[in-house]
Amino acid sequence: GESVGLHLPTLSVQEGDNSIINCAYSNSASDYFIWYKQESGKGPQFIIDIRSNMDKRQGQRVTVLLNKTVKHLSLQIAATQPGDSAVYFCAENGGRGSNYKLTFGKGTLLTVNP
Amino acid sequence: KAGVTQTPRYLIKTRGQQVTLSCSPISGHRSVSWYQQTPGQGLQFLFEYFSETQRNKGNFPGRFSGRQFSNSRSEMNVSTLELGDSALYLCASSLVQGHYEQYFGPGTRLTVT
Repeated sequence: GESVGLHLPTLSVQEGDNSIINCAYSNSASDYFIWYKQESGKGPQFIIDIRSNMDKRQGQRVTVLLNKTVKHLSLQIAATQPGDSAVYFCAENGGRGSNYKLTFGKGTLLTVNP
Repeated sequence: KAGVTQTPRYLIKTRGQQVTLSCSPISGHRSVSWYQQTPGQGLQFLFEYFSETQRNKGNFPGRFSGRQFSNSRSEMNVSTLELGDSALYLCASSLVQGHYEQYFGPGTRLTVT
């Protein structure tokens, strides 16, 4: 069935290092992907998105890479800071066939050590 | 610009009761989506409203319903509450239909006893 999964449930990095959070998706019809950050006690916060006609998109300190061949999505955070500690979710929209229903991964907990 | 607001923030209900949650989107946003978040199932899409019409629906029973008003504010209703309905209910708004660049509220924590 359709699913969005994350390779690693937890990731621990040192402050200043780069972080890479991975996500596998199974619905090849998805044409829009999003990364969210959720801090404890808060709702998810939009980080960056990418459409399926792109393979890379950059934001402020973040880069999303999309590899449609292997159905893989990654979020790279440069110079990770303690404030980046949170759960990160990827999501896919399922494409027209699913009427663009958003499906989320289970999340990766990123811990940044000072 | 004010963010998405949800009321109430916390709610305790008893099995069999019903509950109504409210969401006010960011000014100018016309799409409102609702999600349920639980430790076991993660974030699951409930439904999306745009211009007062439900445009999309997730795989939830008919006990879960919603509506959107002309000012884009939305309400979600859950009837005949079950213990498994205990969750964080999140609302998100965006300018256009289809989840593009949507912004979430802080959620309503519902506990069913």
